[in-house]
Amino acid sequence: GENVEQHPSTLSVQEGDSAVIKCTYSDSASNYFPWYKQELGKRPQLIIDIRSNVGEKKDQRIAVTLNKTAKHFSLHITETQPEDSAVYFCAASSNYGQNFVFGPGTRLSVLP
Amino acid sequence: DSGVTQTPKHLITATGQRVTLRCSPRSGDLSVYWYQQSLDQGLQFLIHYYNGEERAKGNILERFSAQQFPDLHSELNLSSLELGDSALYFCASSVMSDPNTGELFFGEGSRLTVL
Repeated sequence: GENVEQHPSTLSVQEGDSAVIKCTYSDSASNYFPWYKQELGKRPQLIIDIRSNVGEKKDQRIAVTLNKTAKHFSLHITETQPEDSAVYFCAASSNYGQNFVFGPGTRLSVLP
Repeated sequence: DSGVTQTPKHLITATGQRVTLRCSPRSGDLSVYWYQQSLDQGLQFLIHYYNGEERAKGNILERFSAQQFPDLHSELNLSSLELGDSALYFCASSVMSDPNTGELFFGEGSRLTVL
């Protein structure tokens, strides 16, 4: 089955700096890669996703890149703000799979 | 508000007991997923139902079972509870059976504490 690894497990950045979180997946059939943000004590919420026919997607200060050959994808957050502090989960799924496989998560702290 | 309702929000029980967690998906969503999140851990997939039928099973213990009813709400039953079962249990719903057709909408979770 699919296995998703995520690095780093924790990340601290100064407010205004950029943050990058990287994920790798094992199943070459995976073709959908969402990112979820979970604030402390809250439910996970989708922030951005990318499909395998696209190499990059942007939404304001966040972007995701996908390298299908290397089987890895990354989340980029620019101009970080304190409200970006949260745990971020990447995930992967495929057409034949019936579940998302989530990475272990990255705890991002944005220091003022 | 995601539109997914989970009850109870908090539950404290003793080892060996049995509990039932309930999830009502968003209106119109046919898929229900259950995830377990232990303290500072990731989201462990337990099981996926679509329109009343089991679609996929993850690392779900034999002591756990689930079902989705004709009105599409789902219940997760946890029996012979152990201390290690203490966790936050999330339910998520989506419209389609195929998870990569779009967003999963998570409920607020049910926090289970086993003493």
